Amino acid sequence: GEDVEQSLFLSVREGDSSVINCTYTDSSSTYLYWYKQEPGAGLQLLTYIFSNMDMKQDQRLTVLLNKKDKHLSLRIADTQTGDSAIYFCAESTGYALNFGKGTSLLVTP
Amino acid sequence: NAGVTQTPKFQVLKTGQSMTLQCAQDMNHEYMSWYRQDPGMGLRLIHYSVGAGITDQGEVPNGYNVSRSTTEDFPLRLLSAAPSQTSVYFCASSPTPGDRGHYGYTFGSGTRLTVV
Repeated sequence: GEDVEQSLFLSVREGDSSVINCTYTDSSSTYLYWYKQEPGAGLQLLTYIFSNMDMKQDQRLTVLLNKKDKHLSLRIADTQTGDSAIYFCAESTGYALNFGKGTSLLVTP
Repeated sequence: NAGVTQTPKFQVLKTGQSMTLQCAQDMNHEYMSWYRQDPGMGLRLIHYSVGAGITDQGEVPNGYNVSRSTTEDFPLRLLSAAPSQTSVYFCASSPTPGDRGHYGYTFGSGTRLTVV
């Protein structure tokens, strides 16, 4: 499929906020998702946003959606060392998911 | 509630061998899909199904077959394994998007396949 773009790496200090950005391709995508993958593990759904929303907040996670620019971001407040993982942005194609290559988040003490 | 179950977790094949990766879900989800994950490539869609008896190709279908005879099961068959098929394979399921209670795609824990 067409490319969903994400930056590959992000490093933050413990306690700071992390912002992971994503640009997607399909303006008809109904849902957009953020998944987390820890080393050697499967994919854990973190949150998703419906395309008619601008923002969604879920505890430490805030998702912002700019449909005009096809830009999605995930903000993690008070980032902890346990948040170190790969974060994938994905758009729904209507029957499956189209993933970005993932952003490796490293949280340093 | 087991979610999405994939077997086996690990497999080593010789070039030319065939095998089936199993995927089963107990959530009565209509949508199921298979992905492969390679370093630096993210997850790429191999095949998907929108219901029993209906399958279609994704981005990288060559060398793989699928079938969906029941809602619960969606096996992935490697016809003649090649080293390029060394990867981690994930199966996922989802309710029909737009249904009330859509909570995204649930993934299995993956099958790590090595072809030598």
